[in-house]
Amino acid sequence: DTAVSQTPKYLVTQMGNDKSIKCEQNLGHDTMYWYKQDSKKFLKIMFSYNNKELIINETVPNRFSPKSPDKAHLNLHINSLELGDSAVYFCASSPNRESYNEQFFGPGTRLTVL
Amino acid sequence: AQSVTQLGSHVSVSEGALVLLRCNYSSSVPPYLFWYVQYPNQGLQLLLKYTTGATLVKGINGFEAEFKKSETSFHLTKPSAHMSDAAEYFCAVNLPQAGTALIFGKGTTLSVSS
Repeated sequence: DTAVSQTPKYLVTQMGNDKSIKCEQNLGHDTMYWYKQDSKKFLKIMFSYNNKELIINETVPNRFSPKSPDKAHLNLHINSLELGDSAVYFCASSPNRESYNEQFFGPGTRLTVL
Repeated sequence: AQSVTQLGSHVSVSEGALVLLRCNYSSSVPPYLFWYVQYPNQGLQLLLKYTTGATLVKGINGFEAEFKKSETSFHLTKPSAHMSDAAEYFCAVNLPQAGTALIFGKGTTLSVSS
């Protein structure tokens, strides 16, 4: 009964490949997020969706494209992977878009680009 | 623009000693404040948060933090460290408006020795 789940947990791939990371939450939340944690453990917001609508779109390369088929799912597709994309990607959710809410984080997906 | 500064990237304490992790923020308006903990190879878990009301906030696992507006600080404390407290701790802020995302500090690694 995991609250926020991500697949895969580990992803190792070659430069230039296209890959996707999936996220699902079973908390009934309206808002979902993607964060990137770099090798120095710095966390930064990438995207946020509220009820399938994109509400935050930080300055990230166009190679990154989020997709929310329904409010329980938020996937991240990455085209033409580069070495610098290696990081841990965290999905999170919150009850709604109000900023006082706790965000619930998934276990992370460690992406390694060779 | 908001920012978060965590003084000390690494804090080491002995088991039973006081834990003090420092967090200062910069924001144009009083933000909402959060402390998250990340255990190795896991996602982030909320320890506590301050939104409004009492400035001394109690969280899980015996942690507490005090919001000091005059000092723009939100330091995290625990009277007596336990070995299981060893983890990465992140201070984060969010603007008090809907549709915004957490801004994280760079994190503090807490080591606890016996």
